[in-house]
Amino acid sequence: DAGVIQSPRHEVTEMGQEVTLRCKPISGHDYLFWYRQTMMRGLELLIYFNNNVPIDDSGMPEDRFSAKMPNASFSTLKIQPSEPRDSAVYFCASSLDGETAEAFFGQGTRLTVV
Amino acid sequence: GNSVTQMEGPVTLSEEAFLTINCTYTATGYPSLFWYVQYPGEGLQLLLKATKADDKGSNKGFEATYRKETTSFHLEKGSVQVSDSAVYFCALRRGSYDKVIFGPGTSLSVIP
Repeated sequence: DAGVIQSPRHEVTEMGQEVTLRCKPISGHDYLFWYRQTMMRGLELLIYFNNNVPIDDSGMPEDRFSAKMPNASFSTLKIQPSEPRDSAVYFCASSLDGETAEAFFGQGTRLTVV
Repeated sequence: GNSVTQMEGPVTLSEEAFLTINCTYTATGYPSLFWYVQYPGEGLQLLLKATKADDKGSNKGFEATYRKETTSFHLEKGSVQVSDSAVYFCALRRGSYDKVIFGPGTSLSVIP
């Protein structure tokens, strides 16, 4: 398997624009996680899905953020409108079911909002 | 709630020095414990894990032992190399529906 695939790797956008980040999890994985990483706040869990259903979105910072998982092989994280403070590296990760299962991370999307 | 605490660093060591990064956790029951490593410009990757008390996870010369009595999972390596320079994250997972919870990460720099 190619691992967790995220696109784009880098995104530069202007404040106020809509940004969509994409993730393809590892085939057969039941869980999908979206994280945000910044120097100031470290690694934050934004939302996670089990079998395409959102389980916990308490980490989503504001209504400007939304995430969907229309099927088992694709998820999106959307920011509308974007703001400079959204600049960060966004990671997608997936895992099998069960508490002994580790999460596999994608390479991340580095988002810069100017 | 469940949480992970680890020494925040940065930690700077000379090559071949002994490494310890402390990690303690708070959780109901008996979570699985993990150490992840993040090299510059990359995503996190699993370094080792332990799924029950007294288990020792090991990989690439790194070790960590699941200590239930002290709720700890300290990472150790006997002789670090420059290539070990990275950020190390301690994490736990509890229960089938539970998210993977990460500590704040510890930056390690190994100098020749």
